[in-house]
Amino acid sequence: QVAVTQSPSASASLGASVKLTCTLSRGYNSYAIAWHQKQPDKGPRYLMKVNNDGSHNKGDGIPDRFSGSSSGTERYLTISSLQSEDEADYYCQTWDSADQMFGGGTKLTVL
Amino acid sequence: QVHLVQSGAEVKKPGASLKVSCKSSGHPFTGDFMHWVRQAPGQGLEWMGWINPSSGGTNYAEKFHGRVTMTRDTSINTVYMDLSGLRADDTAVYYCAKDQGGNSAFDLWGQGTLVTVSS
Repeated sequence: QVAVTQSPSASASLGASVKLTCTLSRGYNSYAIAWHQKQPDKGPRYLMKVNNDGSHNKGDGIPDRFSGSSSGTERYLTISSLQSEDEADYYCQTWDSADQMFGGGTKLTVL
Repeated sequence: QVHLVQSGAEVKKPGASLKVSCKSSGHPFTGDFMHWVRQAPGQGLEWMGWINPSSGGTNYAEKFHGRVTMTRDTSINTVYMDLSGLRADDTAVYYCAKDQGGNSAFDLWGQGTLVTVSS
């Protein structure tokens, strides 16, 4: 069964860029994933779906600073021009024919 | 505009049952699967299962088999999640989420329902 893994934490400076990684289990490089942002005391927010070819479709109102890409079994979320409100937990999600899986999340700290 | 609005916070005793509702507006209710996800304090997101609002068909995560039931009422565009045999470790925020289609990416989340299980 497919699984996704994420680094527990990441940090970058205000105004800089950061690239978060979601890794699919071996052999599942054709799978798409979705990225979600979870801020404290708020519900998750859908950011984008990233396909295996790197194409991505963002949710309504997601700024251009957020982009997605792909390489092999890795799916990326790049946030440029970091702002303080980007400090949050970021989760990747994938799915197979019937079930859903989440990564453990990456806590992003904006320095 | 598409919205998912969930029922309010609950406090339950161990062994009790829970029912959380999620009312959707702004999109064809029977068009996309609806999921339930929870987040326990200090933990990550945990998928519980989905319901197909059109057919009523369901699929539950193995962990919740026998304890969870998902239903829908198409007349009021609402899905429900029932969880029985509550334990302290069921304390969590429960979210409904709309699928982009049939078991795919989630593209909209509810605001969450805090459930506290305590004696």
